[in-house]
Amino acid sequence: EVQLVESGGGLVKPGGSLRVSCAASGFTFRSYTMNWLRQAPGKGLEWVSCISGSSSSIYYADSVKGRFIVSRDNARNSLYLQMSGLRAEDTAVYYCAISSEYSRTWHGPHFFDDWGQGTLVTVSS
Amino acid sequence: DIQMTQSPSSLSASVGDRVTITCRASQSISRYLNWYQHKTGKAPKLLIYDVSSLRSGVPSRFSGSGSGTDFTLTISSLQLEDFATYYCQQSYNTPTFGGGTKLEIK
Repeated sequence: EVQLVESGGGLVKPGGSLRVSCAASGFTFRSYTMNWLRQAPGKGLEWVSCISGSSSSIYYADSVKGRFIVSRDNARNSLYLQMSGLRAEDTAVYYCAISSEYSRTWHGPHFFDDWGQGTLVTVSS
Repeated sequence: DIQMTQSPSSLSASVGDRVTITCRASQSISRYLNWYQHKTGKAPKLLIYDVSSLRSGVPSRFSGSGSGTDFTLTISSLQLEDFATYYCQQSYNTPTFGGGTKLEIK
């Protein structure tokens, strides 16, 4: 059974940094593209970033480009999101998710097969 | 970015009802359209991919249709466990989601 467990969320001041993690189990982690998505309070879902199994392909949403860095450790079956220059609008529940297929048009994730339950990041002074 | 617009934003219905949710893309996305179900505090679940392909394990009362810019998710006979928020998502370009449709018990 696929399990994705996010951790590391918390309260951080504007301009601060935080790293969230995702522990994966129940599948061959190194074989899959992994993603971070988020949901701000009262808002819809937003894709944030993805990283291929070998870490050779990485994409970011424009809203986080230059501030967030995605990485993975296949030996530890773990996914990470290093967030810096945090803003109030980054306040959200952050989810990790698996993508098993690529879109033939943009060559990134096609859909998000399985998700974790999320970790809350609050950016506030 | 491709904008995805869902309607209605909320919907009240009863167990056994047939429900349809609409999703419109700001440009043609061919058949690169997926649907998710999300219950508060839980992990979102993939229901349908490529407009109409049901994910394994998803009940057959869920179905999807459409192409180009206009898409629908239909639940043929609502069950208690179906009350949740539903999102469409396009993968023609950088993924974007609709604003969600909250399905509530009447």
